[in-house]
Amino acid sequence: GENVEQHPSTLSVQEGDSAVIKCTYSDSASNYFPWYKQELGKRPQLIIDIRSNVGEKKDQRIAVTLNKTAKHFSLHITETQPEDSAVYFCAPNFGNEKLTFGTGTRLTIIP
Amino acid sequence: DAGVIQSPRHEVTEMGQEVTLRCKPISGHNSLFWYRQTMMRGLELLIYFNNNVPIDDSGMPEDRFSAKMPNASFSTLKIQPSEPRDSAVYFCASTLGGGYEQYFGPGTRLTVT
Repeated sequence: GENVEQHPSTLSVQEGDSAVIKCTYSDSASNYFPWYKQELGKRPQLIIDIRSNVGEKKDQRIAVTLNKTAKHFSLHITETQPEDSAVYFCAPNFGNEKLTFGTGTRLTIIP
Repeated sequence: DAGVIQSPRHEVTEMGQEVTLRCKPISGHNSLFWYRQTMMRGLELLIYFNNNVPIDDSGMPEDRFSAKMPNASFSTLKIQPSEPRDSAVYFCASTLGGGYEQYFGPGTRLTVT
């Protein structure tokens, strides 16, 4: 089945420190692994994604790492800033157009 | 492109009334998704279409909910009759296909009293 778990559910980080959010999934057919950010009152927006033939991808302060053997992928945010405060969702697909969203991680950056 | 367009942005209605939410996907996108978001249940996929054909409606809560996509540029989600527990933010999203970014609309905040 399409089971997605995300940890932690909440995370508070001092400004300037790093944050890591982990997502585990059950279906080995997954081949696309995106992370979405949703600010308060706004729509979810893609911030980074990775495909199954790549182990790591970086975009400035944001990176995603993938471990297909262990069926998990993680979001890394370095040098956190107040505007990073939001809810983050992993949303792997399982071989089709559908994304299965995790339960979300509320990240709070403490000034 | 204007992105995914949803209307109305806010809807307040009384229990028992019919509610129709509308969505215009990004031109050229082949797949369209309807999601519901609440604090309790998070972001749930209700139904999605590929090339205007419903592919998976397993997330539709019950027979009170129905969705249509008569053409590539328009979709509706209808709730009849509406109930207070339907209160949520409903998002529409579109994508080129599997393995591509889903672009979300601004959402419709529905309140059923």
